[in-house]
Amino acid sequence: NAGVTQTPKFQVLKTGQSMTLQCAQDMNHNSMYWYRQDPGMGLRLIYYSASEGTTDKGEVPNGYNVSRLNKREFSLRLESAAPSQTSVYFCASRGAGVWKAFFGQGTRLTVV
Amino acid sequence: DQQVKQNSPSLSVQEGRISILNCDYTNSMFDYFLWYKKYPAEGPTFLISISSIKDKNEDGRFTVFLNKSAKHLSLHIVPSQPGDSAVYFCAASGSNDYKLSFGAGTTVTVRA
Repeated sequence: NAGVTQTPKFQVLKTGQSMTLQCAQDMNHNSMYWYRQDPGMGLRLIYYSASEGTTDKGEVPNGYNVSRLNKREFSLRLESAAPSQTSVYFCASRGAGVWKAFFGQGTRLTVV
Repeated sequence: DQQVKQNSPSLSVQEGRISILNCDYTNSMFDYFLWYKKYPAEGPTFLISISSIKDKNEDGRFTVFLNKSAKHLSLHIVPSQPGDSAVYFCAASGSNDYKLSFGAGTTVTVRA
């Protein structure tokens, strides 16, 4: 089982460039999440999707957009990257009625 | 405003001794609590959880204690082993909430 797969693993962007981080899960989970991890800040929720067809803002949504393409896939888009978006991004998924979430390996993004 | 707080950024403990990690929360609607472990360059992995109807949950060397009146939980690791060196995140969720909120994390170093 692959679990939660994120692509790419590493990315360097120039300020103002755009990109999409991809996430797919093969556990038939309803809910999916995007977090960013920064030193001293822990994991902060950017956006989440409670179920296919719905998305909601988390704690730090500014500068990001998301798409829940289908039940398996949840993508995160940076329309105009800024140095403040340099971070490690994690995708996670959670099944209905289950409390624990499963995480992907992360995407390390650097914006220069 | 962070609703889950881990006020100790780091903890150093000798191999074989007990590690105690603390977590405080502010949202009284939280009723399910989880601990995650994270190694460098990997995604967080689930460690142990507790629901608000319990005050203790044990799994091998790991025990989580919940004090609802104080809005406080702790993770005990006994005995600590070198492989326990990692970042530990406390997380919380409410029954009617799809979001999972995380603390800033505590870096545990187990000394030989």
